[in-house]
Amino acid sequence: SQQGEEDPQALSIQEGENATMNCSYKTSINNLQWYRQNSGRGLVHLILIRSNEREKHSGRLRVTLDTSKKSSSLLITASRAADTASYFCATAFSGGYQKVTFGIGTKLQVIP
Amino acid sequence: NAGVMQNPRHLVRRRGQEARLRCSPMKGHSHVYWYRQLPEEGLKFMVYLQKENIIDESGMPKERFSAEFPKEGPSILRIQQVVRGDSAAYFCASSPPGRGALKAFFGQGTRLTVV
Repeated sequence: SQQGEEDPQALSIQEGENATMNCSYKTSINNLQWYRQNSGRGLVHLILIRSNEREKHSGRLRVTLDTSKKSSSLLITASRAADTASYFCATAFSGGYQKVTFGIGTKLQVIP
Repeated sequence: NAGVMQNPRHLVRRRGQEARLRCSPMKGHSHVYWYRQLPEEGLKFMVYLQKENIIDESGMPKERFSAEFPKEGPSILRIQQVVRGDSAAYFCASSPPGRGALKAFFGQGTRLTVV
């Protein structure tokens, strides 16, 4: 299984602090993606990092990928209450299509 | 350009009834994926379809579940003779054609409750 596993399962921080979530996976991948899911809503794509990349930035998001350890991290800097959501990592392999497998996610709560 | 549209948003069915979930992909997207999310769990891949073709159904239960994506109209996920364990959120995603369609856009999901 390509399933990503997020860690921690739950994280509670104060507004303004940084939040770090980790993801581990089992087999070789083509890319790894992070998604956000607000309670009761669909998933929103945050960022994609390819297997030959080590770090990627998008606004307040920073993603790293370590293929030797089969792990990735998502850092949200200067968190806001609106960042409260579940965050999932998804791994995809080179099959020519978007078959991704999601972990159970990290529930982030940002306290105002 | 409307996003991925799923309907209904909420569906209640009695055990033994049929559930039909609809997904209209984004304009120009010819790839559709269905995922199931059980309470407090991640999303599990079910099936990947292109127009009139099932490409990968490795995540579909062997019985009672079927999916189609006709030439015209939305993609349909059909669950026959529903059981309590089918209660979940079902998400549809779409992506544009071509190899390496790496980014999928998700709908808001259909929450199925079997009573």
